[in-house]
Amino acid sequence: DQQVKQNSPSLSVQEGRISILNCDYTNSMFDYFLWYKKYPAEGPTFLISISSIKDKNEDGRFTVFLNKSAKHLSLHIVPSQPGDSAVYFCAASARSGAQKLVFGQGTRLTINP
Amino acid sequence: SQTIHQWPATLVQPVGSPLSLECTVEGTSNPNLYWYRQAAGRGLQLLFYSVGIGQISSEVPQNLSASRPQDRQFILSSKKLLLSDSGFYLCAWSVPGNYEQYFGPGTRLTVT
Repeated sequence: DQQVKQNSPSLSVQEGRISILNCDYTNSMFDYFLWYKKYPAEGPTFLISISSIKDKNEDGRFTVFLNKSAKHLSLHIVPSQPGDSAVYFCAASARSGAQKLVFGQGTRLTINP
Repeated sequence: SQTIHQWPATLVQPVGSPLSLECTVEGTSNPNLYWYRQAAGRGLQLLFYSVGIGQISSEVPQNLSASRPQDRQFILSSKKLLLSDSGFYLCAWSVPGNYEQYFGPGTRLTVT
């Protein structure tokens, strides 16, 4: 049972344009959502997060949108830069003793010059 | 500042051999600790987590075990490796009560 899904395995975007990565979830108990960026052979690095009491959170070029009724979140990167090429994972957590994260399968983003 | 170390970076082991992967965190006390595995082309699967010394919770029944002998040390072990144990193993830590987890550099394990 995949509780967090990233249905696009890959995405290609031209440099300078907007990249939009999508994520869907099924567990209505999730109350916190995160995006991670991962380069090959490295650990993921935390990018941005959002609480379920908000519908938008912005940090520089990165904005995360949350639509609770649709159980959908998205990450917008604008403008996209070559260094943004990586695999992006969304993750979700329900209120629990250890703040466990459930990850999606990842989307490989390629920024073309 | 906090740092997290994992070793070794890569490991090639034959089927049936034992395994020990180590993770240490510096610059924080009483962190939550986590072990994940990323199989080829897949997402990150939580294997074990720990909220304190000697306290280990297993998420997926399998051929692996974990231990936390010290506050900032987390060890992943196996007595006999299987081919299906191959993957990229990641250790992570978080501040108790916070959702953000911070990952180590990972260990690439190949079982032959």
